Amino acid sequence: QQQVKQSPQSLIVQKGGIPIINCAYENTAFDYFPWYQQFPGKGPALLIAIRPDVSEKKEGRFTISFNKSAKQFSLHIMDSQPGDSATYFCAASMGGSEKLVFGKGTKLTVNP
Amino acid sequence: ETGVTQTPRHLVMGMTNKKSLKCEQHLGHNAMYWYKQSAKKPLELMFVYSLEERVENNSVPSRFSPECPNSSHLFLHLHTLQPEDSALYLCASSQAYGNQPQHFGDGTRLSIL
Repeated sequence: QQQVKQSPQSLIVQKGGIPIINCAYENTAFDYFPWYQQFPGKGPALLIAIRPDVSEKKEGRFTISFNKSAKQFSLHIMDSQPGDSATYFCAASMGGSEKLVFGKGTKLTVNP
Repeated sequence: ETGVTQTPRHLVMGMTNKKSLKCEQHLGHNAMYWYKQSAKKPLELMFVYSLEERVENNSVPSRFSPECPNSSHLFLHLHTLQPEDSALYLCASSQAYGNQPQHFGDGTRLSIL
């Protein structure tokens, strides 16, 4: 119940493509869903986050889509660039809790 | 300096050694965390401190011993580690316990010989 399942494990797209990374959860008490971006040799950095009162959130080229009934959320990267090549982690937490439950990560490669 | 700083960035140690990892945050946050990141596994929360008091200890072996002398500094003392403890150890901080987001340092890459 505490797991967050992330797919795919790796993803290769061409520049300008729209990679989509999916996450699914079981615990309906989760109410905060962030995405983290991690470059090699660096720590994860918060990219974008959503709460279940909205179905979509955009920040620049990054969009989270949230489907509460299906208990799924996904990250879309519009007009992807080689500089977006990184590992992306989804996560979830319950209100008032510091504990983030992370997915296993998706390694994204954007070819020029 | 800004953000969360971890030292050393790389550490190689034998199983009988004692070493410490250091984390310092310059964000004025009151909560700090240690995570373990292993290949192809989700980040694992190890310890949480809020206002220098430990509030979570997720079944971490006693060979890992955290210390939080003040709200800006966090240490992870290592003793008699095992090869499976080789991983990236990440420190994070947040404004307060129960609040998001968490801000991560760049980690210490630990290798156990």
